Amino acid sequence: EAGVAQSPRYKIIEKRQSVAFWCNPISGHATLYWYQQILGQGPKLLIQFQNNGVVDDSQLPKDRFSAERLKGVDSTLKIQPAKLEDSAVYLCASSTEGAPHNEQFFGPGTRLTVL
Amino acid sequence: AQSVTQLGSHVSVSEGALVLLRCNYSSSVPPYLFWYVQYPNQGLQLLLKYTSAATLVKGINGFEAEFKKSETSFHLTKPSAHMSDAAEYFCAVSPYWYSGGGADGLTFGKGTHLIIQP
Repeated sequence: EAGVAQSPRYKIIEKRQSVAFWCNPISGHATLYWYQQILGQGPKLLIQFQNNGVVDDSQLPKDRFSAERLKGVDSTLKIQPAKLEDSAVYLCASSTEGAPHNEQFFGPGTRLTVL
Repeated sequence: AQSVTQLGSHVSVSEGALVLLRCNYSSSVPPYLFWYVQYPNQGLQLLLKYTSAATLVKGINGFEAEFKKSETSFHLTKPSAHMSDAAEYFCAVSPYWYSGGGADGLTFGKGTHLIIQP
């Protein structure tokens, strides 16, 4: 079974530029999460989707971050414009449904460096 | 509101020695608790989870953890460390309720870097 796919794996941009990350969850997984992991810290939830709909985006900086999940499968996370403090690894995870006892499967992440 | 505290950003043990990684949680509702492991340049992998069944939970690679409500703890142990256990370990908490489609994103601790000395 293929795991969660993310691209690109690495991205370097200048501050104030835009960037987008892509995630393809495990086939059949209805729930998709984006986490931000800053160096030396644990991952922090940015947004949770259940199929096409947003379940929780309370920690998403909506003035610069946006995310969508068209057709309930792939998802993109965008930052516009980027700030230095956005340098982090962005992790995508998926699970079979929105139940906390179901395992979240994580992708390898996209490492963003903002200069 | 939920939070997780992992005591010790770095833990060093000798190969073959006991591994003990500490995790304390705070939750206003009964929690689900998890331990994840992260190897360099990889995503997180689930080691084990507590979901209100048995308080002693066994996971992969010989790890286990015990849920102690009175101490609000969920410490991770392994009787004998192996060189391949060197990695970053994260404790995480999720709210207990399940109503189908509810918000269940994980709240992670800051992580503990496990170092295995030969």
